Amino acid sequence: EIVMTQSPATLSVSPGERATLSCRASQSVSSNLAWYQQKPGQAPRLLIYGASTRATGIPARFSGSGSGTEFTLTISSLQSEDFAVYYCQQYNNWPNTFGQGTKLEIK
Amino acid sequence: QVQLVQSGAEVKKPGASVKVSCKASGYTFTSYGISWVRQAPGQGLEWMGWISAYNGNTNYAQKLQGRVTMTTDTSTSTAYMELRSLRSDDTAVYYCARDGIVVVVAALTHFDYWGQGTLVTVSS
Repeated sequence: EIVMTQSPATLSVSPGERATLSCRASQSVSSNLAWYQQKPGQAPRLLIYGASTRATGIPARFSGSGSGTEFTLTISSLQSEDFAVYYCQQYNNWPNTFGQGTKLEIK
Repeated sequence: QVQLVQSGAEVKKPGASVKVSCKASGYTFTSYGISWVRQAPGQGLEWMGWISAYNGNTNYAQKLQGRVTMTTDTSTSTAYMELRSLRSDDTAVYYCARDGIVVVVAALTHFDYWGQGTLVTVSS
């Protein structure tokens, strides 16, 4: 199965600054890549699918890029509500697989 | 609005079975498949399997084959996930999640709506 590796494991950023999260696939997943945000005690929330398409209701400060094996989630100006764990997921090859997550914490 | 509402927390002994429900509303149930994803305490997300709400076709993760069964009841717009022969490492929050697209091949899709999660604790 495809292994998704996220980096860094923890990212410390100040509110108002930009955050860049990375996700690497062990083989090409084309653009079949999604990003989710998860806050403590809550279910994951879809942010991005198709590597770069924002889901319904997701603010424009969230953007996704990449294709093949390298992907990036960028949050342009961090708000207090953005501090959470972020997961990438590939859905190009069976089975669907997720990265181990990046925890975005307040600096 | 789309909602997936799951059943409540369960405590089970090793070797027992658990059945979790996921009641959908706000959309045509048979138009989208449902996947189940679990999350062990402090860990990441693990896809368990998928069921078509249209025809009941299923697709299970290899490691759970033989222990998991997913079903739907279209009359109540409810999906179910049953896990048998429970072990301590099955302790997790179990989520149902709706396919992000209508036509899914080989259970490959992103997930646009999620249930609130059901904690299943396996302990003697």
